[in-house]
Amino acid sequence: AQTVTQSQPEMSVQEAETVTLSCTYDTSESNYYLFWYKQPPSRQMILVIRQEAYKQQNATENRFSVNFQKAAKSFSLKISDSQLGDTAMYFCAFMKRNTGTASKLTFGTGTRLQVTL
Amino acid sequence: NAGVTQTPKFQVLKTGQSMTLQCAQDMNHEYMSWYRQDPGMGLRLIHYSVGAGITDQGEVPNGYNVSRSTTEDFPLRLLSAAPSQTSVYFCASRGGVEGYTFGSGTRLTVV
Repeated sequence: AQTVTQSQPEMSVQEAETVTLSCTYDTSESNYYLFWYKQPPSRQMILVIRQEAYKQQNATENRFSVNFQKAAKSFSLKISDSQLGDTAMYFCAFMKRNTGTASKLTFGTGTRLQVTL
Repeated sequence: NAGVTQTPKFQVLKTGQSMTLQCAQDMNHEYMSWYRQDPGMGLRLIHYSVGAGITDQGEVPNGYNVSRSTTEDFPLRLLSAAPSQTSVYFCASRGGVEGYTFGSGTRLTVV
């Protein structure tokens, strides 16, 4: 079974600064996906970024980028130029890569990020 | 708008009552699932389905039933609500190698 660990329950960053959220995972699989989801106060789960394990290049989406270290089983999220709208709970998630669609998401416990003025 | 629709958004139940949380998607996704979200525990998988007529248990299935008679709908039934089932419930669907699409959630309180 897979486990996902987010060791930072809460973090705070000033507007326009950069913050990094940590995530580690444990798996015996070699092919998988990793995700970061954002959950603002509206409760909606929003996909921020996705990384495919077989790709060495780190994924980026505008101000969001990841540092994927496969050997260390680490998947951190960097938010650059933080904005007030980035205030949310952030979840790291793992999904085994199957040829079919029967792949389940395993979530970490989340990091609550507060962006301040 | 394409997506996953959950109803209701809020619900209060008395212990022992039953109810059904509705979930519908219009993206023709084969895979659908139900998660519950509790403080400090992230989201945990309750039940999932890989297609019409096929369901299976997730990590925390006790006290919940599901069925999948159509591709579009995947209702979650609480047979006899307990205070331990107070939580936020999310339905999610997936059609391929992309990430999941989540509904907006149902906040359920059992008193």
